[in-house]
Amino acid sequence: EPEVTQTPSHQVTQMGQEVILRCVPISNHLYFYWYRQILGQKVEFLVSFYNNEISEKSEIFDDQFSVERPDGSNFTLKIRSTKLEDSAMYFCASSELRGTNEKLFFGSGTQLSVL
Amino acid sequence: ELKVEQNPLFLSMQEGKNYTIYCNYSTTSDRLYWYRQDPGKSLESLFVLLSNGAVKQEGRLMASLDTKARLSTLHITAAVHDLSATYFCGKAAGNKLTFGGGTRVLVKP
Repeated sequence: EPEVTQTPSHQVTQMGQEVILRCVPISNHLYFYWYRQILGQKVEFLVSFYNNEISEKSEIFDDQFSVERPDGSNFTLKIRSTKLEDSAMYFCASSELRGTNEKLFFGSGTQLSVL
Repeated sequence: ELKVEQNPLFLSMQEGKNYTIYCNYSTTSDRLYWYRQDPGKSLESLFVLLSNGAVKQEGRLMASLDTKARLSTLHITAAVHDLSATYFCGKAAGNKLTFGGGTRVLVKP
């Protein structure tokens, strides 16, 4: 079964450093998302991306965050200057459709630890 | 702003018994999702509910949607240990999925 692939599975970084989290969505999917989950808390929406542009973003997704689809397969989340509170599990997701039958497929996540 | 509340937060189950998880949401919008998450793992899609009165079943799990009451339920029949996980409901509004706080389920023999 096709799946969303995320790399790396774990990322440790120093506060103030830039990180790039990588995702390969399912190949025929058109909608891409990033969510995050701070340890023990609920999963929170960050951003959605369609047709090479952001379609919606949350208040969490400030100027320190950016997303890109640099080629036909990868979808990346960049955090420009990491803060301690950015430590979380980051999930990439993709869907083929948006609307009636949309099913969202999540990757296995990247655990980001900011020291 | 859409709010999604789940209860209970934690459910200790005995094998063989039936239980229900509740998911309330604040505004009418489209799809309602149920996901399962094992510790340290990703979210596994269980059900997508689209309209009032929708009921879906897979094995020991059954989900239903009442849009008038703004309520979805996830019913577990004859719980087994394999069902131990955290269950999240999520309500879609446009491109954004808002999740409830999750229900941590522990099934004891």
